[in-house]
Formats: sequence, structure tokens, C-alpha cells
Amino acid sequence: AQSVTQLDSHVSVSEGTPVLLRCNYSSSYSPSLFWYVQHPNKGLQLLLKYTSAATLVKGINGFEAEFKKSETSFHLTKPSAHMSDAAEYFCVVSYKSSGDKLTFGTGTRLAVRP
Amino acid sequence: DTGVSQNPRHKITKRGQNVTFRCDPISEHNRLYWYRQTLGQGPEFLTYFQNEAQLEKSRLLSDRFSAERPKGSFSTLEIQRTEQGDSAMYLCASSPQGGVLNTEAFFGQGTRLTVV
Repeated sequence: AQSVTQLDSHVSVSEGTPVLLRCNYSSSYSPSLFWYVQHPNKGLQLLLKYTSAATLVKGINGFEAEFKKSETSFHLTKPSAHMSDAAEYFCVVSYKSSGDKLTFGTGTRLAVRP
Repeated sequence: DTGVSQNPRHKITKRGQNVTFRCDPISEHNRLYWYRQTLGQGPEFLTYFQNEAQLEKSRLLSDRFSAERPKGSFSTLEIQRTEQGDSAMYLCASSPQGGVLNTEAFFGQGTRLTVV
């Protein structure tokens, strides 16, 4: 089955320190990969996406992710966490062969300590 | 443009009752998607439309579930004879022509269903 695995259900960092949220995808031809963020009482918002162009993808709010085919990974990083980054983050995969739908991971809840 | 709008935001119903949710996509988005999110899980795909045509349905969408988009604008999701296992957040999203791979899916805030 085509899927993604988010390795941490909860991550806690101090404000101003780096953020690393880990994601691995099941190996398949030409995946498209996304990171979405979900703040309480708000809709899911796209942070960034990879669709077979540059392997280092820059997104909104200072986030970026690197596609590593050899490791089947797409980890999300940010150099310096802000209090407003506290939210649920979802790694998402889609394949051209599976139609126009997104397959979500189980999510990582990011807490940011003052 | 106010984004994707879903109504109601919350619904509590008794087991066995029917419920209907509405989704208004971003205007001129011709693709519309329904997802379901249970506690502690990521959203799961249910179905999607291109204009008024329902192009794909997940196996999760049992025969008690039906979705429509009669004029290619708003969509409704109906659940008949609700069960406690139907309790979840139901999310709607829309995207322009090209779909989620070539453009972007915009999500609504969801309808939270509680079956008691």
C-alpha cells in the first residue's frame, strides 16, 4: 500500500531552536510529497510540496524539506522555532497512478516551549 | 473569497439518524474532495468530484454514505443510519483544474460529527 510513516507522534522544542519532523514514504515510482499543517480550529494548510523538481523544497513560514530517494525520506525542518509553529503536521503522499487523492500520515504534534 | 466553507461545524446525532453536511468550495474550483479524520489519525480520502461527476469513491465509503455535487458547485455528504463508528471530523477540500498534484488542495475547517 502506498503510505507515509511519521516517526514521531509528538515533538517538543524550545523557541528559537531547530525543528525536525521525520517522514518516510513507501518506495514507489515518482511520488509527490507534501507537508500540511493543521492549527486548532483552522483548515489544513499546505506548507510545501515536492513533485520531482528540486529535491530541496522551500515552503512557507521558513519551513523546508529535502527529498532523499536513497533513504525514502522527506523530513521537514526549520532553523528556528516560533511559538506560532505549535500545531499538528502531516506528511502526505500522492502518486499519479493512484488518482487525484492524498494519503496522509498519522501526524506529528509540535509543541514549542517558551 | 472566503475559502472553503463547511456547515454545520458541529453535529450531534443519535445512532440510527440520518445526517447531511454541506461544503461550499472556492468559487471556480472544479474539483471537490471529501476526507474523514478520526481522533489521532490523519485524514482519509472518501471521494472526489470533477464538476458534477463523482470520479472516485474509497472503499471506506459504505453504502450508507452518499455524496452529491448536483450543479458542480456546492456538495453534500449524507450518512444514513448513523453508527457510533461514524463519529469523526469530515473535511472538504477544493482545487482548481489539475488537481492536488499540479495545483493545491484548499481545506475547509471541517464538520465534527458525534454519534451518541
